[in-house]
Amino acid sequence: GENVEQHPSTLSVQEGDSAVIKCTYSDSASNYFPWYKQELGKRPQLIIDIRSNVGEKKDQRIAVTLNKTAKHFSLHITETQPEDSAVYFCAASNGTASKLTFGTGTRLQVTL
Amino acid sequence: GAVVSQHPSWVICKSGTSVKIECRSLDFQATTMFWYRQFPKQSLMLMATSNEGSKATYEQGVEKDKFLINHASLTLSTLTVTSAHPEDSSFYICSASRKPREQFFGPGTRLTVL
Repeated sequence: GENVEQHPSTLSVQEGDSAVIKCTYSDSASNYFPWYKQELGKRPQLIIDIRSNVGEKKDQRIAVTLNKTAKHFSLHITETQPEDSAVYFCAASNGTASKLTFGTGTRLQVTL
Repeated sequence: GAVVSQHPSWVICKSGTSVKIECRSLDFQATTMFWYRQFPKQSLMLMATSNEGSKATYEQGVEKDKFLINHASLTLSTLTVTSAHPEDSSFYICSASRKPREQFFGPGTRLTVL
């Protein structure tokens, strides 16, 4: 089955700096890669996603890049704000089954 | 649109009792529902996938006789934790899907077994 690794497990940045979180996946059949933000005790919220036929996608301060050959994808958050502090999860899916395999999570802390 | 609810939001029970958690898609029909378990400071682990009217597909290592899933309609799936024990204490989250690559998550249910 699919295995998704995520790094780093914790990340502390100063407000205004950029944050980068990286994930690798094992199943070459995976073709859909969403990113979720989860605040303590809350449901995961989809913040951005990318399909395997696209190399990069951007939505305001958030961008995701995908390297299919290397089987890795990354989340980039620019101009970080304190409200960006949360746990971020990457995930991978082969689309057809919709089954998501989640990474281990990154706790992002944005300090003033 | 695409709202998913869960009930209860939290539950405390004694060891050995059974607990039922409901997951509802409020404004759409979900062909597939998923159940996840999340231990503190850990990731979401898929427990099972269920399609309306058919038996759930459980992930490896998940005991189907302990975690009973019923997907009776296109808007309701239930997870029953039978003979719960303290190690079953966790955050249980469902999600609902209408089509591939789509999952709308419920708010989660925090289960504490004493």
